[in-house]
Amino acid sequence: AQSVTQLGSHVSVSEGALVLLRCNYSSSVPPYLFWYVQYPNQGLQLLLKYTSAATLVKGINGFEAEFKKSETSFHLTKPSAHMSDAAEYFCAVSDTNAGKSTFGDGTTLTVKP
Amino acid sequence: DTGVSQNPRHKITKRGQNVTFRCDPISEHNRLYWYRQTLGQGPEFLTYFQNEAQLEKSRLLSDRFSAERPKGSFSTLEIQRTEQGDSAMYLCASSETLGNYGYTFGSGTRLTVV
Repeated sequence: AQSVTQLGSHVSVSEGALVLLRCNYSSSVPPYLFWYVQYPNQGLQLLLKYTSAATLVKGINGFEAEFKKSETSFHLTKPSAHMSDAAEYFCAVSDTNAGKSTFGDGTTLTVKP
Repeated sequence: DTGVSQNPRHKITKRGQNVTFRCDPISEHNRLYWYRQTLGQGPEFLTYFQNEAQLEKSRLLSDRFSAERPKGSFSTLEIQRTEQGDSAMYLCASSETLGNYGYTFGSGTRLTVV
């Protein structure tokens, strides 16, 4: 069985500040992990993925995430927030190659000027 | 390739009516997925296909829901005898079979049952 917990349904940061969105997962096998972003009135877009090649994964728009097996975490970070980063972010886990994914409930990121 | 296409974008229907949604995946992608998303929740898995074979269906899915992918290209999701609780955004995604590159999502079909 697989599950995802995203801590904090809403996160607010100032422009230029560090962004940290938390994700903890549960999986009975080595997981595949993903972050997706959903901008207002748009579909979900893949931000980055972990597939066991490297624990620190870099994605689009300056985001990165680190896989920590001991903590069962896959937190998303960005050193400096931009107004255009305001969106909803979803963490997802899959325990099979290209199989179904289980999504967290999402974290809404607000960026204040 | 124009990405994953879903039609219609919006559907309003009366309770008890049947509705059908269509998804056209990226042509090179063998796998196609259906998810449902309600306000404040993440996408919830419904079913997925590899080519024309339906590989898994959520146990939470009522018998009123059925999906097909007859020629391994586009897929349809039908909901019979709609209920107000079916109101949600229905998302389609596609992916390659190997490599686990993640999903490419369509923009979704928003269903409102009145």
